[in-house]
Amino acid sequence: GAVVSQHPSRVICKSGTSVKIECRSLDFQATTMFWYRQFPKQSLMLMATSNEGSKATYEQGVEKDKFLINHASLTLSTLTVTSAHPEDSSFYICSARRGGEAFFGQGTRLTVV
Amino acid sequence: GENVEQHPSTLSVQEGDSAVIKCTYSDSASNYFPWYKQELGKGPQLIIDIRSNVGEKKDQRIAVTLNKTAKHFSLHITETQPEDSAVYFCAPGAGNMLTFGGGTRLMVKP
Repeated sequence: GAVVSQHPSRVICKSGTSVKIECRSLDFQATTMFWYRQFPKQSLMLMATSNEGSKATYEQGVEKDKFLINHASLTLSTLTVTSAHPEDSSFYICSARRGGEAFFGQGTRLTVV
Repeated sequence: GENVEQHPSTLSVQEGDSAVIKCTYSDSASNYFPWYKQELGKGPQLIIDIRSNVGEKKDQRIAVTLNKTAKHFSLHITETQPEDSAVYFCAPGAGNMLTFGGGTRLMVKP
């Protein structure tokens, strides 16, 4: 069964609003989680590394004020897309590692209209 | 940073044939070499992985071979089935970091 659960799987929001995506590790603790973005027919691009109890580490070119990451517990990381615009429409995927193996969530399809 | 290239970008095979996808990487510190399968609208799923102290690993119809000297590793799928149709990604890495290749769209024709 799934070891990383992501919610919601799909969300449609109006331009200018904010959207929160949750990523949970099931039955294990994850001090670090990863957030990826994937455009159609492209690869996964790492956006940021979420660290429990401390600030997230963002990849170059990713706006930290736009993509807010909170890792408040050992099993939950959240990504909030603030003031979303149509260009933020994408597939967002989280990941956590257990025993050296990376597990991915089901992904969240965000559509901003 | 790690540069990862994956070839081919698309691969079409007849059901029952074999498929091979190659991944080259640049960082000699990489010590973990996984392959992921991604179906439409879903997150990647690990199908096989290998670590740097092993040259080959097999799991039923799927195998991975590693050449650390040449910095490449390959995914081998034998007796392909229509349900193998998906996008496959390599993601070599070290520690917590994985860098994804560009992906290979595999189409298995019945």
